[in-house]
Amino acid sequence: GIQVEQSPPDLILQEGANSTLRCNFSDSVNNLQWFHQNPWGQLINLFYIPSGTKQNGRLSATTVATERYSLLYISSSQTTDSGVYFCAVVEGWSYNTDKLIFGTGTRLQVFP
Amino acid sequence: ETGVTQSPTHLIKTRGQQVTLRCSSQSGHNTVSWYQQALGQGPQFIFQYYREEENGRGNFPPRFSGLQFPNYSSELNVNALELDDSALYLCASSPGQGASYEQYFGPGTRLTVT
Repeated sequence: GIQVEQSPPDLILQEGANSTLRCNFSDSVNNLQWFHQNPWGQLINLFYIPSGTKQNGRLSATTVATERYSLLYISSSQTTDSGVYFCAVVEGWSYNTDKLIFGTGTRLQVFP
Repeated sequence: ETGVTQSPTHLIKTRGQQVTLRCSSQSGHNTVSWYQQALGQGPQFIFQYYREEENGRGNFPPRFSGLQFPNYSSELNVNALELDDSALYLCASSPGQGASYEQYFGPGTRLTVT
C-alpha cells in the first residue's frame, strides 16, 4: 500500500515564528487533506487540496501531485496552533475500494 | 449546520466484552467512515458505510462490524474485545460515496479495554 511520510516528526517553536511541514507519498493519489488534531483528539479540517495552492488566514498549503508531496505553511504561529498535524491521502481510484491513508504526523509545540 | 457527533465520549470495558459506539453524520452527508487511532499513531481506516451498505473495509478482523441507519447515522460494534482495541475511535462523514470527498470528523470515543 501507499506510504505517507511527514517531516519533521516534532517541531518546537516560539510564538510568532513561521514553519513548513512536509508530506511525501509513495504513489499517485486521488486526493489529499491536511488536518490539525488538537490535544483533545478532535481532527480539524485545514485543507482539501489534491493539487495547487490554497490559503486560509495564517495557513497555506501547496500540493504538487506529480512530484508526490504537499507542504503546509504556518506563519506567525500561536500557542493555539499546538497539536499534531496530519496529512491524509486517498489511495485507490474506485469509490468502492478507495480509502484515506494518514501520514505519520508532525507534533507541533508553540511556546509563548 | 450540525457537525459530526459521537457517543459516548469515554468508555471502559473488560477484555472479552462487546461494545457499541455511535456516530451521527453531518447534515446533508450520506456516508460514514470509521477509524481507529492508537496512541501516538495516525488514524487507521476500519470501514465505510454508504446508504446503509458497507462500502470498503480496511485490515480489521470480522469482530469489527457496523451498521448505517436510514438517517445516515452509524454504529461500530466490536466483539470479543482485546487489550489492543484500546484506542480513540473516530467517525467521519462526507457528502458522497468513497474517500475522495472531503471527510469531516467527530470528536471521537476513547475506549479503554482492561
